[in-house]
Amino acid sequence: GEDVEQSLFLSVREGDSSVINCTYTDSSSTYLYWYKQEPGAGLQLLTYIFSNMDMKQDQRLTVLLNKKDKHLSLRIADTQTGDSAIYFCAEPLPGGGNKLTFGTGTQLKVEL
Amino acid sequence: DVKVTQSSRYLVKRTGEKVFLECVQDMDHENMFWYRQDPGLGLRLIYFSYDVKMKEKGDIPEGYSVSREKKERFSLILESASTNQTSMYLCASMGFVSFTGQYFGPGTRLTVT
Repeated sequence: GEDVEQSLFLSVREGDSSVINCTYTDSSSTYLYWYKQEPGAGLQLLTYIFSNMDMKQDQRLTVLLNKKDKHLSLRIADTQTGDSAIYFCAEPLPGGGNKLTFGTGTQLKVEL
Repeated sequence: DVKVTQSSRYLVKRTGEKVFLECVQDMDHENMFWYRQDPGLGLRLIYFSYDVKMKEKGDIPEGYSVSREKKERFSLILESASTNQTSMYLCASMGFVSFTGQYFGPGTRLTVT
């Protein structure tokens, strides 16, 4: 079956913007998620977006949703060293109720 | 704040041993999940429980079983551990309100030698 796809690595300089991309599989997904995993920790929900929205902004985070291309992105403005982590996008499984399918994760490295 | 705790952060077991990983959540969530996380593969669902004593297989249930005798506790059992089960194991819980997402525990890094 299809997978939720993300690039594996992204490196940015402190203060720059980071853009993490995701291609999801189900055009009927009602909401999509971004999770953050810091080293040695579990996943933490960063934000979510409903499928009837194109954009959601939350402080330094901007989520863009392109339903036609099934493309989701997470932009982090003014990236800080504390943003270094793995970022996962996730979507509900079709007909799967509360089960989620996760992308492979993007390792964000913030350099000084 | 939802809290999901896992019994161990690090565990080292020998091949063939029976291994129990426990997960407890304090938010009265109906749904609980066990995942394993491997580099480059993301999270893969092992088992899912939507109520006490109810369980459903995920994508990779082979070699694992689960138990949910109480709502707050979901256990993952490796009947006979093998080296290919060396991984990070993550537990999660989720209530009825789906857009709040799943809440994760800190993970258990299991090494099978």
